[in-house]
Amino acid sequence: EIVLTQSPGTLSLSPGERATLSCRASHSISSRYLAWYQQKPGQAPRLLIYGASSRATGIPDRFSGSGSGTDFTLTISRLEPEDFAVFYCQKFGSYTFGQGTKLEIK
Amino acid sequence: EVQLVESGGGLVQPGRSLRLSCAASGFTFDDYAMHWVRQAPGKGLEWVSGISWNSATMDYADSVKGRFTISRDNAKNSLYLQMNSLRAEDTALYYCARDGSESLEAFDIWGQGAMVSVSS
Repeated sequence: EIVLTQSPGTLSLSPGERATLSCRASHSISSRYLAWYQQKPGQAPRLLIYGASSRATGIPDRFSGSGSGTDFTLTISRLEPEDFAVFYCQKFGSYTFGQGTKLEIK
Repeated sequence: EVQLVESGGGLVQPGRSLRLSCAASGFTFDDYAMHWVRQAPGKGLEWVSGISWNSATMDYADSVKGRFTISRDNAKNSLYLQMNSLRAEDTALYYCARDGSESLEAFDIWGQGAMVSVSS
């Protein structure tokens, strides 16, 4: 069973800064099966990235995904006020989610 | 507009049953596999169950296997989750989500969720 571990648990940054979120898998997975979601308070999750690096429809290009094997990264190049939320990675197929990273305003 | 709308949530006693529904619109429902994902209050996301487009394949998380049954009615553009022998730990917001298919392996559309509370 694949376990996804996200770090850090909480990330405190200011608007305009760069955010780097990590997702580490317990076993190597195909990048094809790694997705990222954003969830704001009181809202459903929203797909950001699929296939480790492909942006979903309507997602701004300040969001990017990278990685392979066991280490994957979600980067937000310049934080906008609306970007602060909880982010989850997911291994598609087993559908396992990571525990989430909360991105909060510093 | 592509949309998923859940219904059927509520307060139920431990050991009782509840059936959730998810109404799909704005897309060809029987082109897609579908899933249920839940989120306990203040917690993260947990995949619950999934079903293929033609109901040939159904999968369940170990935590609900044998108690929950997923189904769909393509003629009615609807997804269902029959939940039996409910426990306090099943208390959560239940989302239905569209499987993006082979070209987009992720959950690309989500409903707003239906709240299920299990308590005596």
